[in-house]
Amino acid sequence: NAGVTQTPKFQVLKTGQSMTLQCAQDMNHNSMYWYRQDPGMGLRLIYYSASEGTTDKGEVPNGYNVSRLNKREFSLRLESAAPSQTSVYFCASSELSGQPLSSLTVQYFGAGTRLSVL
Amino acid sequence: QKEVEQDPGPLSVPEGAIVSLNCTYSNSAFQYFMWYRQYSRKGPELLMYTYSSGNKEDGRFTAQVDKSSKYISLFIRDSQPSDSATYLCAMNNQGGKLIFGQGTELSVKP
Repeated sequence: NAGVTQTPKFQVLKTGQSMTLQCAQDMNHNSMYWYRQDPGMGLRLIYYSASEGTTDKGEVPNGYNVSRLNKREFSLRLESAAPSQTSVYFCASSELSGQPLSSLTVQYFGAGTRLSVL
Repeated sequence: QKEVEQDPGPLSVPEGAIVSLNCTYSNSAFQYFMWYRQYSRKGPELLMYTYSSGNKEDGRFTAQVDKSSKYISLFIRDSQPSDSATYLCAMNNQGGKLIFGQGTELSVKP
């Protein structure tokens, strides 16, 4: 039972470098999400994809781009990394989004990617 | 002001204690209330969820929602060292996007 798999687990970048965080889920879920978690800030939504072929901005989208490659995969790209993007990044998936809460809207999270930008 | 406020702690209790974790919120449109548990260096996992006001019990855990006060709580009875984790409250309306609290770090000492 892999669930939500994120790669890499750790990454160190220099300011201005680019990188892509990968996320894949094997639960046949329609909706996928990218969050960042910073001390004292909780989890903040960066982008989400309600279904294959759609993406929407969350609370903190600036400096990021996303691609919903297919139903399984949702990647997050940093085009020009900045120290303010040092954080732990979590990918999550759920069967449905925008519906009344049920077991179908529960979000399942990956183990996270720890990113440091120097 | 954040939509959801949660005391970050840290909170340290002895094994067997009753733990109370709380969140307040400002958006009266929130209808669905969740508690996630996050172990160190892991992703959050759903612990419990409730709809509207009232209580919900699951083993040693009780979730309570008071919509009139915009206040939710998670109680842990007979706390165990394995309960040591960060607990995040989260809530949403029918829009589906979750709004998380900052998380409370709990340590249960043997």
